[in-house]
Amino acid sequence: AQSVTQLGSHVSVSEGALVLLRCNYSSSVPPYLFWYVQYPNQGLQLLLKYTSAATLVKGINGFEAEFKKSETSFHLTKPSAHMSDAAEYFCAVSEQGAQKLVFGQGTRLTINP
Amino acid sequence: NAGVMQNPRHLVRRRGQEARLRCSPMKGHSHVYWYRQLPEEGLKFMVYLQKENIIDESGMPKERFSAEFPKEGPSILRIQQVVRGDSAAYFCASSPGVVNYGYTFGSGTRLTVV
Repeated sequence: AQSVTQLGSHVSVSEGALVLLRCNYSSSVPPYLFWYVQYPNQGLQLLLKYTSAATLVKGINGFEAEFKKSETSFHLTKPSAHMSDAAEYFCAVSEQGAQKLVFGQGTRLTINP
Repeated sequence: NAGVMQNPRHLVRRRGQEARLRCSPMKGHSHVYWYRQLPEEGLKFMVYLQKENIIDESGMPKERFSAEFPKEGPSILRIQQVVRGDSAAYFCASSPGVVNYGYTFGSGTRLTVV
């Protein structure tokens, strides 16, 4: 069975600082990996995805993530945080070709002025 | 090009009533998924449907919950005899058919059972 662990349910950074949100997965088959962002009272928006091409994936709003098979990780980073980045972030995994996503518990990102 | 449309946005039901949640997928998308988000938790898969077919319902509770995606009209998630534990945000997503495109999610229906 697949699973996703997001380390840190709450992360707080200063405006302009590096954002690092951690995601580790377990999968017995090569996975597809996703990061989604959820703003208050809204649905989820796809930030970026890894689908077995380049291991460094660039997404929207300046975010990127690197797939590291040896570490079973897919951490999300942004060099410089902006106030508008405050939201909840979800990492998700699926089997290649499968339709179902398994989500992590989420990490709430707070940006301090 | 409208996104995934869910209605209502908020739904209040008394215990024992029925709740009907509607989802219209993006134009050209024939695959619909329902997920449930309990407070302070991530999203949990419920069911995956294509037109007139349930493909995977492994996440659906065995009783009181049902889903359909008819040939015409929106997908419906139906919860009969609601209980307080059904209070959650229910999200619908759609895709053109291949998961590596990533889902497009709707804004959700927030169900409150009183």
